[in-house]
Amino acid sequence: EIVLTQSPATLSLSPGERATLSCRASQSVSSYLAWYQQRPGQAPRLLIYDASNRATGIPARFSGSGSGTDFTLTISSLEPEDFAVYYCQQRNNWPPLTFGGGTRVEIK
Amino acid sequence: EVQLVESGGGLVQPGGSLRLSCAASGFSFSDYAMSWVRQAPGKGLEWVSVISGSGGSTYYEDSVKGRFTISRDSSKNTLYLQMNSLRAEDTAVYYCAKNMWGGRSGWFSPYFDYWGQGTLVTVSS
Repeated sequence: EIVLTQSPATLSLSPGERATLSCRASQSVSSYLAWYQQRPGQAPRLLIYDASNRATGIPARFSGSGSGTDFTLTISSLEPEDFAVYYCQQRNNWPPLTFGGGTRVEIK
Repeated sequence: EVQLVESGGGLVQPGGSLRLSCAASGFSFSDYAMSWVRQAPGKGLEWVSVISGSGGSTYYEDSVKGRFTISRDSSKNTLYLQMNSLRAEDTAVYYCAKNMWGGRSGWFSPYFDYWGQGTLVTVSS
């Protein structure tokens, strides 16, 4: 099973700041990694797939990068609605499909 | 518009059973693999099970193998999760989720572009 480790667990930032979230895989997942956003009380929303492709309707301030075992989600300038929990998910080697433990982006 | 609406959650005693349903609309249901993903209170996301568009292939997370059964009825555009021998650690919000891509390529590329609102399953005496 591929384990995804996200860091930091919590990121405290102000609106307008840049957010950099990390996801590290226990073994290579090539570029087969997605990022999801989950706001309180809502279902997850797909942001990025295959490491760097924005899903339909996702604003350009969200970008993804990385390959192999190290991946980054960057939010270039935080909007109020971006304060949420973010999860990574791999599809390179499944079952099982695995998610990271999440990074909470909170208002400083 | 794609919609996924779960139902069937509730309070059940340890060892009991529940069947969750997910009514799908707005897309060609039989063309897409579907999954169940759960989230324990205050915790992260955990994939539970997947079924192919035809229903002929299924996979399960290890802790639910032999206890949970995923199925689908294309005539009703509905996904199911039969949960037996429930344990306290199965307590979670259960989401159904649609694969982003359809067909054979989608089966091998499971990302989830649409999710239901979730249904809460509580296992407690």
